Amino acid sequence: DQQVKQNSPSLSVQEGRISILNCDYTNSMFDYFLWYKKYPAEGPTFLISISSIKDKNEDGRFTVFLNKSAKHLSLHIVPSQPGDSAVYFCAASVLNTGNQFYFGTGTSLTVIP
Amino acid sequence: EAGVTQFPSHSVIEKGQTVTLRCDPISGHDNLYWYRRVMGKEIKFLLHFVKESKQDESGMPNNRFLAERTGGTYSTLKVQPAELEDSGVYFCASSRYRTPNYGYTFGSGTRLTVV
Repeated sequence: DQQVKQNSPSLSVQEGRISILNCDYTNSMFDYFLWYKKYPAEGPTFLISISSIKDKNEDGRFTVFLNKSAKHLSLHIVPSQPGDSAVYFCAASVLNTGNQFYFGTGTSLTVIP
Repeated sequence: EAGVTQFPSHSVIEKGQTVTLRCDPISGHDNLYWYRRVMGKEIKFLLHFVKESKQDESGMPNNRFLAERTGGTYSTLKVQPAELEDSGVYFCASSRYRTPNYGYTFGSGTRLTVV
């Protein structure tokens, strides 16, 4: 059964606006979360991470929010740029028991100029 | 620093044939991982090497898949015999530390098509 879910396969946003990508997980033992960005014909690249001891982590235009009680995290991109158009994967891990990451199915973001 | 290199980038084989995928991790990265993405689904873990030892192979689908990492450098993933459901993109990733706070570095993947 899938432990990390991204229920929106695609999202379109106007350039300059906010992009919000969502991710839900079922395993309450997950204590580390990452977002990866993937362009066509390339491997996923690390974007931003958050530990379960935090509820927010910010890096430039990218902010990840974690709501542990709801088992939900989101990635905010402000302002969105055309170069942000890519597939975004949410991933989660239980760090102390090994470092296998569980990925979602991805959300394809299109930023319209 | 060179990235994670995977070869070939694409492979089309017939059902029942054998295919070997290769991954060259970043130099000095003891941890090497194989993941697979099947037709728009999630990226799923296959296995994890620490140097030449298999640390976790819980994600390997069945005994048609064999991964090796001789000498703790590059790794190969052999599928023998290949089945239609093995089609997908196979990603290799590496990291220096076992608990990578910045995730892994992924290669570009090998797109395997079994016909």
